[in-house]
Order: sequence, then C-alpha cells, then structure tokens
Amino acid sequence: RKEVEQDPGPFNVPEGATVAFNCTYSNSASQSFFWYRQDCRKEPKLLMSVYSSGNEDGRFTAQLNRASQYISLLIRDSKLSDSATYLCVVFRKGKLIFGQGTELSVKP
Amino acid sequence: NAGVTQTPKFQVLKTGQSMTLQCAQDMNHEYMSWYRQDPGMGLRLIHYSVGAGITDQGEVPNGYNVSRSTTEDFPLRLLSAAPSQTSVYFCASGQPQHFGDGTRLSIL
Repeated sequence: RKEVEQDPGPFNVPEGATVAFNCTYSNSASQSFFWYRQDCRKEPKLLMSVYSSGNEDGRFTAQLNRASQYISLLIRDSKLSDSATYLCVVFRKGKLIFGQGTELSVKP
Repeated sequence: NAGVTQTPKFQVLKTGQSMTLQCAQDMNHEYMSWYRQDPGMGLRLIHYSVGAGITDQGEVPNGYNVSRSTTEDFPLRLLSAAPSQTSVYFCASGQPQHFGDGTRLSIL
C-alpha cells in the first residue's frame, strides 16, 4: 500500500462544475500537508498548504482531517485552465511524499 | 529571480555511461532534493539534503550519488546509467518545495 493514495481519475467535468479530490495517508506521524498542481509533465507547482482548520484560496478550498488521515481539495466554478494533475503531498521526517496524482480535465 | 535551475534539460546516454545532473538555487534554501517521475508512478524521492555537507537517501537512491558542498548546488550523479533510469528528474529546494523545470533523461 502506498503511503499517500489518491484516485488517479481522470475526472472529466464541464466548465463551472464543482469537483472534489480526496487523498489518504497512512502514517500518523506526517507533519505537513500540501496540494501541488502539475501540467503536462512540467514541474509541480505549489497550489496550497493544508491545515486542520481548513483554508481557502479563491475557488480552492483544502481540508485536513488528522483523525481520519484524510486530505481534500475542492475546486468551485472550474475553469478550462484548471485542467491539470493535482498532487497530494505529505511531509514527514524531512521527506516529501507524493501521491500518484489525480488528473482533471475541464471541458467547455 | 532564477529560482531553481536544472541543466541539462534533455540528455541521451548509452548504458554504462556516467553523468551529472546539475541543480542550483538562488533562494538560500537549506533543504534541497532530487526526484524522478515515471509514468503512473508519481514523484519518488531519490536523495535529499538539509544543508551543506549533509545528505540522506530517499525512496529510490540506488544507482545515484549526491553531494552538497555549497548551499546553492546539489548535483546528482548517475554512476553507470541503466535503461531503468530513463525518467524525468526534478530538483527542488525549500519547504514547501520549489521545483526546477526538470531534466528528461533517456538511456539506450
């Protein structure tokens, strides 16, 4: 079992839709949590950090549930430009551990 | 700002050859790391460094060496290239991590 697991998708949604990504991690000693975005095998870019209190950045909302070891990302009013792979990332003992990524395709 | 600079961007090697992938950052980050990304596998940590003179192994260190003589530079050496090392290699620095553009490496 991988330490960070995501549904690989692809998620195909129309413009304007709300889409939710889920991620689970297996090690309760994990310290920090992030969502990254990756376009077409280019370099990953930080989308947002994730906190237990939840945090929002425009159309994006991230949530962490430490008890369930579960991380989520919600994208509202999706745009064509949101099409990418979304990577769930956990930091533990000096190492970043990446999930496989969830592919999102937003269609007109 | 240059951020994280990787060279070369593309490279083709023959089995058994050695080479060094270069990585430099100008953000004075202590933490640097190398990842490889293969189709369907996500990013996997090869080696990382928490500061000059300190390196440690990640998930897939075999066949690779690193050194960190300065804060700015973190080269990755392939000792004897094998076809299984064909991949996209990303260098990253800081926490959260900022990634370079990647090196696309093919080994024949």
